[in-house]
Amino acid sequence: SQTIHQWPATLVQPVGSPLSLECTVEGTSNPNLYWYRQAAGRGLQLLFYSVGIGQISSEVPQNLSASRPQDRQFILSSKKLLLSDSGFYLCAWSAPRGRITEAFFGQGTRLTVV
Amino acid sequence: RKEVEQDPGPFNVPEGATVAFNCTYSNSASQSFFWYRQDCRKEPKLLMSVYSSGNEDGRFTAQLNRASQYISLLIRDSKLSDSATYLCVVTLYGGSQGNLIFGKGTKLSVKP
Repeated sequence: SQTIHQWPATLVQPVGSPLSLECTVEGTSNPNLYWYRQAAGRGLQLLFYSVGIGQISSEVPQNLSASRPQDRQFILSSKKLLLSDSGFYLCAWSAPRGRITEAFFGQGTRLTVV
Repeated sequence: RKEVEQDPGPFNVPEGATVAFNCTYSNSASQSFFWYRQDCRKEPKLLMSVYSSGNEDGRFTAQLNRASQYISLLIRDSKLSDSATYLCVVTLYGGSQGNLIFGKGTKLSVKP
């Protein structure tokens, strides 16, 4: 069966510090991978999605970046965090292109920038 | 027009009530439809898929009207544990957001 792992669960970082959040998927190949952010009381905001290794699409201009160094690994990074980067970050996967299925989410990382 | 629109609520209902949520989508090429549930400070979890013929899972019934580009979720005999935010999700092959488009969610609060 497929599983998705996301860590850490909680993170407190000072303004200007770097960020690295990691997400891995098991039990499937060539998944679509997604990073979302959810600010307090708000909807899901798509940040990045990837349909394959090294293929990243950005939906929102920001100081964040994403990478997909391996088929089932998706990393969200920042060189210098801003206060506005605080939020609930969610990684998700769905079946590869050509198969329309639901998405499955990791447990999320609650990031507080102080 | 937003791609997926939901009434944000909140819907405040007593236990045992029947409550219905609606969702409209703008792209007629949308292919698959889902309802997710998100508890406070948790990740969204799949509640049920939505099929053209309509489908039921216990107290939950989902309906799809492709002609009107409209999806609904009906919850009968509401429980306190149904309190959550319900997200409507549409998939669109080759869409600009990968293939997933989320509504902003409808908040439900079931009171004793």
